[in-house]
Amino acid sequence: DAGITQSPRYKITETGRQVTLMCHQTWSHSYMFWYRQDLGHGLRLIYYSAAADITDKGEVPDGYVVSRSKTENFPLTLESATRSQTSVYFCASRVGQAREAFFGQGTRLTVV
Amino acid sequence: EDQVTQSPEALRLQEGESSSLNCSYTVSGLRGLFWYRQDPGKGPEFLFTLYSAGEEKEKERLKATLTKKESFLHITAPKPEDSATYLCASTGSSNTGKLIFGQGTTLQVKP
Repeated sequence: DAGITQSPRYKITETGRQVTLMCHQTWSHSYMFWYRQDLGHGLRLIYYSAAADITDKGEVPDGYVVSRSKTENFPLTLESATRSQTSVYFCASRVGQAREAFFGQGTRLTVV
Repeated sequence: EDQVTQSPEALRLQEGESSSLNCSYTVSGLRGLFWYRQDPGKGPEFLFTLYSAGEEKEKERLKATLTKKESFLHITAPKPEDSATYLCASTGSSNTGKLIFGQGTTLQVKP
């Protein structure tokens, strides 16, 4: 299916565990983004990527790691999950810097 | 540092009562100002892109406008199905492609 998909949709993990959230887009968009959304904070940028093998920090990168070996995939890893990382995570992509971004359906992550 | 601020945080309207949502931005070299709609439990859905002051875009009951410092999302004669959170975002020439969002305005339209 064309578009941008995130997996899993829901995840419960324990404090200290490593967890990876997946994001896949079929448009060959250059830019990809990871956001977290919490009540009272809106969408906060974690990491973004301008192309394969090019990534950069956003507003709240601590505790997260990203990679982008292929244009279509942009996984987000929490190396040692903490309760403060309980959130809804959104992945997005766009074709160019001045163009609109399209979002996935989100992953709801709970760290217990 | 580039910033986007939306107001009000929440807005309650009666069906048919027109109003406007505000998005103030401080971005060096604006490359694009974007409006999104987000329904509960879903990802943001793209509405409009504005590129330069004076530009306007319309879609059904929504009209987005842009000045050098602000953007407005005007909602004319809203219906209950317009209830959602509306998000504003910007990209500037100095931020290497970042897309920065405001905190959103949650709109409730009562029948």
